[in-house]
Amino acid sequence: QVHLVQSGAEVKKPGASVKVSCKASGHTFMKYGLGISWVRQAPGQGLEWMGWISTYNGDTVYGQNFQGRVTITTDISTTTAFMELRGLRSDDTAIYYCARDASTLNFDYWGQGTLVTVSS
Amino acid sequence: QSLLTQPPSASGTPGQRVVISCSGSNSNIGRNVVRWYQQFPGTAPKLLISSDNQRPPGVPDRFSGSKSGTSASLAISGLQSEDEADYYCAVWDDRLNGVFGGGTKLTVL
Repeated sequence: QVHLVQSGAEVKKPGASVKVSCKASGHTFMKYGLGISWVRQAPGQGLEWMGWISTYNGDTVYGQNFQGRVTITTDISTTTAFMELRGLRSDDTAIYYCARDASTLNFDYWGQGTLVTVSS
Repeated sequence: QSLLTQPPSASGTPGQRVVISCSGSNSNIGRNVVRWYQQFPGTAPKLLISSDNQRPPGVPDRFSGSKSGTSASLAISGLQSEDEADYYCAVWDDRLNGVFGGGTKLTVL
């Protein structure tokens, strides 16, 4: 059974950075064609795709809205993906989800979500 | 403002057929696969339609997807009270990468 377990809630001040983790289990993390995407959802708002990493070779693609501000990485030894967002603003307050990406936004398994609150 | 336009709300009575639209352009729906997600309050989204009209295991065949040109649709037949949720379309855009529609809140009257 595939599971994605994310790190706990964070409270950050404007201008700070946050790094959220997503530990995967129950499947071959480095299987060709698989990746992890990060999606966020502001309170009462819709879904927003942030970026993707291939868990096979580490290639990344970032959403235009997040270019230069987000970095997605993986630690193969612990089958964990990470999303770091820098220069936090109040409008970055959201639930951040990781999702297994079976092929181009084909998110078949999701983490439980991590609430990041940005407040002075 | 999303590149993909969905109606903010839709409604129907039990047993009815409801269709939710997702309108895009040649750089997204016109050339790439459309996915659909269902989300209940306080929970992570769930994959509903994985490829234009393919359902993952466990998704009832009451749910179906279709695509024509630069628009896609999610149809729910035999509407049930437990279908009340938010629905999102998602597609790769050749200019902006991954995009979601703004979401449609479905109410079962």
